[in-house]
Amino acid sequence: SQELEQSPQSLIVQEGKNLTINCTSSKTLYGLYWYKQKYGEGLIFLMMLQKGGEEKSHEKITAKLDEKKQQSSLHITASQPSHAGIYLCGAARTLYNNNDMRFGAGTRLTVKP
Amino acid sequence: DTEVTQTPKHLVMGMTNKKSLKCEQHMGHRAMYWYKQKAKKPPELMFVYSYEKLSINESVPSRFSPECPNSSLLNLHLHALQPEDSALYLCASSQPGQGGATNEKLFFGSGTQLSVL
Repeated sequence: SQELEQSPQSLIVQEGKNLTINCTSSKTLYGLYWYKQKYGEGLIFLMMLQKGGEEKSHEKITAKLDEKKQQSSLHITASQPSHAGIYLCGAARTLYNNNDMRFGAGTRLTVKP
Repeated sequence: DTEVTQTPKHLVMGMTNKKSLKCEQHMGHRAMYWYKQKAKKPPELMFVYSYEKLSINESVPSRFSPECPNSSLLNLHLHALQPEDSALYLCASSQPGQGGATNEKLFFGSGTQLSVL
């Protein structure tokens, strides 16, 4: 089964600092999704990566999928309090059954003003 | 409309009660999902409906009964729940895959916080 490990589990940074969150899979990733969740709320889609070496950016958040398609990183530049929340990576388990998305345990980000 | 709407937002029920969670989307998505999320844990997949047919049941106890009456609605019927079933229940929707490497993102509702007493 697909195992997604995220690191670190939690992160506390000063406002304005850069940070990186990692997501490592035990299997080839056919599609890697980054979501953000506020406590007790639903998940907000951030980005999807499919191709090895792919990199996408939205505002101050950049996500990359490595060439071997087994690891992804999420980088936030000049963090702000609005970036605080739980970041989850998700992936489908198999190539031809792309409805069964599973998630990593999440990284809890706190941004201190 | 890019929203998935879940009702109620909060629910408290006794172990002998019967209640239902509701989920609605009007994006034309033909795949709908129920996830369960315990505090400080990732969402866990429970059920997937694809084209109104149950396609995945992750060995969920029968006290949880899903229903997809049409392509826009998804219900989760609850009966004789246990306190350990207390959790955030998330509904999501997407376009079902066409096979190959095309994966569609999931749109999530804001969830129903369920407490079983």
